[in-house]
Amino acid sequence: SAVISQKPSRDICQRGTSLTIQCQVDSQVTMMFWYRQQPGQSLTLIATANQGSEATYESGFVIDKFPISRPNLTFSTLTVSNMSPEDSSIYLCSVTSGEYEQYFGPGTRLTVT
Amino acid sequence: GQNIDQPTEMTATEGAIVQINCTYQTSGFNGLFWYQQHAGEAPTFLSYNVLDGLEEKGRFSSFLSRSKGYSYLLLKELQMKDSASYLCAYTKAAGNKLTFGGGTRVLVKP
Repeated sequence: SAVISQKPSRDICQRGTSLTIQCQVDSQVTMMFWYRQQPGQSLTLIATANQGSEATYESGFVIDKFPISRPNLTFSTLTVSNMSPEDSSIYLCSVTSGEYEQYFGPGTRLTVT
Repeated sequence: GQNIDQPTEMTATEGAIVQINCTYQTSGFNGLFWYQQHAGEAPTFLSYNVLDGLEEKGRFSSFLSRSKGYSYLLLKELQMKDSASYLCAYTKAAGNKLTFGGGTRVLVKP
């Protein structure tokens, strides 16, 4: 299985500011994903981070709000831009390891005040 | 709208068995995942079913019927530490993105 780390683990930010979340994997992976988990809810996919090309965003999520970088096969960043209290969530990256298994990072707990 | 459904909450007694059902509707289906998530933690992988039938892993078993769009997770000999949320999710292609159900919160009582 892949070992995934995320930074920061948590942050409290003021509205209108931006936060960049990092995801590091201990092995090269093809597919990396960014999910959001709002309080008391399940996971919603934000985008698929593609190495060497632009991320693929899900309906309701746009690049201007959630720009993503994927400079290599072990690292990705997600930026939450111009934050509002509605962006308060846990943000998780996940990767596919092996044929199908998907593993999640520990998550970044974001609170916007 | 969400096209994968599971009950919101279930309560069971320590030592008992609980079955969590998951139904889905999608065009294009590859397989069905089950994850366990304790409060404040990331989801951890439990099982992945591609073919019809039952797969057993210790106290946990997962079943899939592709024709019925139905899966269940069976937890046997429940322990207090099994109190958690259980998430089902499908994928349309191996290794690709997941679509999650709302999660089922299981409370195990002494």
